[in-house]
Amino acid sequence: IVLTQSPATLSLSPGERATLSCRASQSVSSYLAWYQQKPGQAPRLLIYDASNRATDIPARFSGSGSGTDFTLTISSLEPEDFAVYYCQQRSNWPPSITFGQGTRLEIK
Amino acid sequence: QVQLQESGPGLVKPSQTLSLTCTVSGGSIRGSTYYWSWIRQPAGKGLEWIGRIFSSGSTYYNASLKSRVTISVDTSKNQFSLKLSSVTAADTAVYYCARDRDSFFDPWGQGTLVTVSS
Repeated sequence: IVLTQSPATLSLSPGERATLSCRASQSVSSYLAWYQQKPGQAPRLLIYDASNRATDIPARFSGSGSGTDFTLTISSLEPEDFAVYYCQQRSNWPPSITFGQGTRLEIK
Repeated sequence: QVQLQESGPGLVKPSQTLSLTCTVSGGSIRGSTYYWSWIRQPAGKGLEWIGRIFSSGSTYYNASLKSRVTISVDTSKNQFSLKLSSVTAADTAVYYCARDRDSFFDPWGQGTLVTVSS
């Protein structure tokens, strides 16, 4: 299963709303997670099972979608939110775990 | 809270075997209901899942790497390990270990850079 993230780069200002998309080549049900990665750091889990916020993740991060189309929304960007974001799926058939290619969220 | 730490050689020669270990602290692999996974990331590129192991020793590998990968677990040391054989420059990457909660990974180790070069 291929995950396609869009846009590749998103340029926004602090305080603005960010909407990141992840599309799967076939249904992954709700088995979709989102991660944030800053330079030199490991990815950090933000959202799991499409819409559940991970522990200690601020409420400005939210996830939605099911099947093949998913969205990560950051309601009001903080300076520390500028990073690369990856989606990830797990499927039983065909059995696979894959990541999207990432969306770079940069300061405008 | 659970923490993971990768360790192993930072430089491997082409055609040799890459070997890494992940030490888990703050929780026990033995009897856990989680998988434990390896993931890698070439410089400036995206993430690739390598494979996973359950505490019982059951393993599942990325089909694209399956012929070269072995993941094992040592519950007495609270560690799991990765071996990748016949490495080439294309295997140069930061390698992460992570607790695998079936549909997502959390937490991750800090990562270790492995360079394949003669």
